[in-house]
Amino acid sequence: DIQMTQSPASLSASLGETVTIECRASEDIYSNLAWYQQKPGNSPQLLIYDANSLADGVPSRFSGSGSGTQYSLKINSLQSEDVASYFCQQYNNYPFTFGSGTKLEIK
Amino acid sequence: EVQLVESGGGLVQPGRSLKLSCAASGFTFSNYYMAWVRQAPKKGLEWVATISTSGSRTYYPDSVKGRFTISRDNAKSSLYLQMNSLKSEDTATYYCARQLEGFAYWGQGTLVTVSS
Repeated sequence: DIQMTQSPASLSASLGETVTIECRASEDIYSNLAWYQQKPGNSPQLLIYDANSLADGVPSRFSGSGSGTQYSLKINSLQSEDVASYFCQQYNNYPFTFGSGTKLEIK
Repeated sequence: EVQLVESGGGLVQPGRSLKLSCAASGFTFSNYYMAWVRQAPKKGLEWVATISTSGSRTYYPDSVKGRFTISRDNAKSSLYLQMNSLKSEDTATYYCARQLEGFAYWGQGTLVTVSS
């Protein structure tokens, strides 16, 4: 199984800052990676697919990058509505696997 | 508008069975792979099962293989998850999701609690 190591586990940043969340796969996943945002009490929402493609309706301050085994999610100009947990997920091979999540808070 | 509505969750004793349903609307159901993803309380996400468009291919992680069965009825635009031999560690909110380059659409989830 492909292991997804996500960091950091939690993150506190100020409004307007830029934050980056990292995800490392245990083997090459050929950019078959998605990022999700989950706000408290809600279902997850797709932000990024294919490592760097923005999902429909997602603000352009979210971006994804990476290749091979290393991937990142960047949030520019942090807004209060970005308070949430973020998860990466590989869909290169079954079983699909998720990162353990990053909880983002506002300072 | 794409909608996925799960039902069938509840409290069940260890070793018993439960069947979840997901009603899909707003898209051509038969064109998409579908999946179940679960989330234990205060925990992360775990993929549980995937089914191909026709239902001929199914995929499971080892944690549920042999106990859970995913199925679909394209005529009814419905997805199912039959869960047998339930364990306490199966306690989670179960989400139905449309699968294509990740999971683009999710339902609101249905809570399954396995406890005596």
